[in-house]
Amino acid sequence: EVQLVESGGALVQPGRSLRLSCAASGFTFEDYAMHWVRQAPGKGLEWVSGVNWNGGGTGYAASVRGRFTISRDNAKNSLYLQMDALGAEDTALYYCAKGHTSGWYCYLDYWGQGTLVTVSS
Amino acid sequence: EIVLTQSPGTLSLSPGERATLSCRASQSVGSSSLAWYQQKPGQAPRLLIYGASSRATGIPDRFSGSGSGTDFTLTISRLEPEDFAVYYCQQYGNSLTFGGGTKVEIK
Repeated sequence: EVQLVESGGALVQPGRSLRLSCAASGFTFEDYAMHWVRQAPGKGLEWVSGVNWNGGGTGYAASVRGRFTISRDNAKNSLYLQMDALGAEDTALYYCAKGHTSGWYCYLDYWGQGTLVTVSS
Repeated sequence: EIVLTQSPGTLSLSPGERATLSCRASQSVGSSSLAWYQQKPGQAPRLLIYGASSRATGIPDRFSGSGSGTDFTLTISRLEPEDFAVYYCQQYGNSLTFGGGTKVEIK
């Protein structure tokens, strides 16, 4: 059974940094792209970032490019999102999602339950 | 960036009725690289359709997808009580983007 468990969400002040993690199990992690998708309270889904199977290819939404960095550790079956210069607009539930293939242009066939990031002073 | 526009924003229907949801792209989505997801309150999204028309594992056949290029449709042939939810389209032909969602509510 595929499981994706996010962690690291917290209340953080504007301008500060936060690192999210996603622990994956139930599939061969190193074979698949992985993504972060967020959902602000009461709003729709927004794709944030994706990484291909070996970490060599990444993509970012314009709203986070230059502030967020996605990475993965295939030895630890883990996905990460380093978030810097956080602003109120980054307040959201952050989902980790598995891609259906190795390249990061893909649909998302499994999702975690999300970790909440709140940016407020 | 490919922008996806979903319509209507809200669809009010009764159980047993047919639901037709639209997703329009600002430019052609290559290789019909379009997916649909269902999200219920307090839950993560669930994949319904990929490749514009292929049902994901375990999805009932009352759900069907169609379309190509810039115009895509999700059809629920006969609404069951558990189908009332928010539906999102997502393109993966050029990076990834999501549509704004369509809420299917009980009339």
